[in-house]
Amino acid sequence: DAKTTQPPSMDCAEGRAANLPCNHSTISGNEYVYWYRQIHSQGPQYIIHGLKNNETNEMASLIITEDRKSSTLILPHATLRDTAVYYCIVRVGVGSGNTGKLIFGQGTTLQVKP
Amino acid sequence: DSGVTQTPKHLITATGQRVTLRCSPRSGDLSVYWYQQSLDQGLQFLIHYYNGEERAKGNILERFSAQQFPDLHSELNLSSLELGDSALYFCASSARGPDTGELFFGEGSRLTVL
Repeated sequence: DAKTTQPPSMDCAEGRAANLPCNHSTISGNEYVYWYRQIHSQGPQYIIHGLKNNETNEMASLIITEDRKSSTLILPHATLRDTAVYYCIVRVGVGSGNTGKLIFGQGTTLQVKP
Repeated sequence: DSGVTQTPKHLITATGQRVTLRCSPRSGDLSVYWYQQSLDQGLQFLIHYYNGEERAKGNILERFSAQQFPDLHSELNLSSLELGDSALYFCASSARGPDTGELFFGEGSRLTVL
């Protein structure tokens, strides 16, 4: 699976959009981009994933560049409860020789401030 | 609540001892993943079981073993414990059907080795 690079930490003002970048310049054509977050030692929580197109759900939006070498997770109106470590993971889909396991990097610690 | 249940939530033991961590996946989920999270190592993938069979092995020590039972619950056995085994151990499950990359994590078992 391709390696990802994320900034170690970011701050965001409450109520503003939080834009979390991820670089995955060695991504292959069959690899998806997944985002998870972990709030203070709780179990990680799935946020969103995508392959090529931009995706949006009730939690966030995922913007993937046309060359797929980077992506941005957007939390449109960050709240204090969004303070967490955010992980960007690249992985092939299950059935492409992959078991479904996720390999977590160090992630970005997002601090939402009042 | 992810639907994944882990017991015990906290465990304190001594070096050289053996412990068993238990995981009940969400109802109907066939896959169980184990992860270890220590302060200096981040979230490390240990092992993946699918419907009773081992599917992938990560950075799991030889002193550790796991199994998945016919009722789909899983146990992670840690033996000859060392101080460095102190960590949060997470279990996750994933749904049957098309892969979405969504793993459902439990709240973890915190192991302290003294």
